[in-house]
Amino acid sequence: LAKTTQPISMDSYEGQEVNITCSHNNIATNDYITWYQQFPSQGPRFIIQGYKTKVTNEVASLFIPADRKSSTLSLPRVSLSDTAVYYCLVGRMDTGRRALTFGSGTRLQVQP
Amino acid sequence: EAQVTQNPRYLITVTGKKLTVTCSQNMNHEYMSWYRQDPGLGLRQIYYSMNVEVTDKGDVPEGYKVSRKEKRNFPLILESPSPNQTSLYFCASSYDMTSGGYEQFFGPGTRLTVL
Repeated sequence: LAKTTQPISMDSYEGQEVNITCSHNNIATNDYITWYQQFPSQGPRFIIQGYKTKVTNEVASLFIPADRKSSTLSLPRVSLSDTAVYYCLVGRMDTGRRALTFGSGTRLQVQP
Repeated sequence: EAQVTQNPRYLITVTGKKLTVTCSQNMNHEYMSWYRQDPGLGLRQIYYSMNVEVTDKGDVPEGYKVSRKEKRNFPLILESPSPNQTSLYFCASSYDMTSGGYEQFFGPGTRLTVL
């Protein structure tokens, strides 16, 4: 299974752009990269998913370089409500074992 | 409303007393999974199921059992709970992985304490 590494914590201010990077050096050819957000005492919530290059939705952007050994979640203009833990997840899409491994998570603190 | 439900939400038990945490989803999802979350360790997958009667181990399966007799239900069984299984447990479900997408829908969590 591809292991992921993320910064333990990050601080930001309201209105700033936040970039959280996840390292996954052993990512396999068929692995996708997915990011989740988790608030205290709640289950994680899907944010965005990608395989290569750039993906953007109404919430965030995901940047994946050509070698796919890392990925960066970009949150534009964060607000206080974006204070949460963000998890990077790498998982397979082929017919083999489909266990999923979460990273240790990055605790983002947004201040006014 | 599309959702994943877990019961109970909170449980305090004693070592060795068998327990079951239920999980049910109403989205007709193929894939279901159990995770435990511990401080400093993030989310770790216990077991997952690709479909009815198909289950496999995740990263930390020791001490747990699961079954998938119906598509909507995926109970987690602790035959002989021990204090190191004190944790916050999440059930999750997802569409068939082969069709793309790892968007898992998580339940509200079950906080288990084993004394």
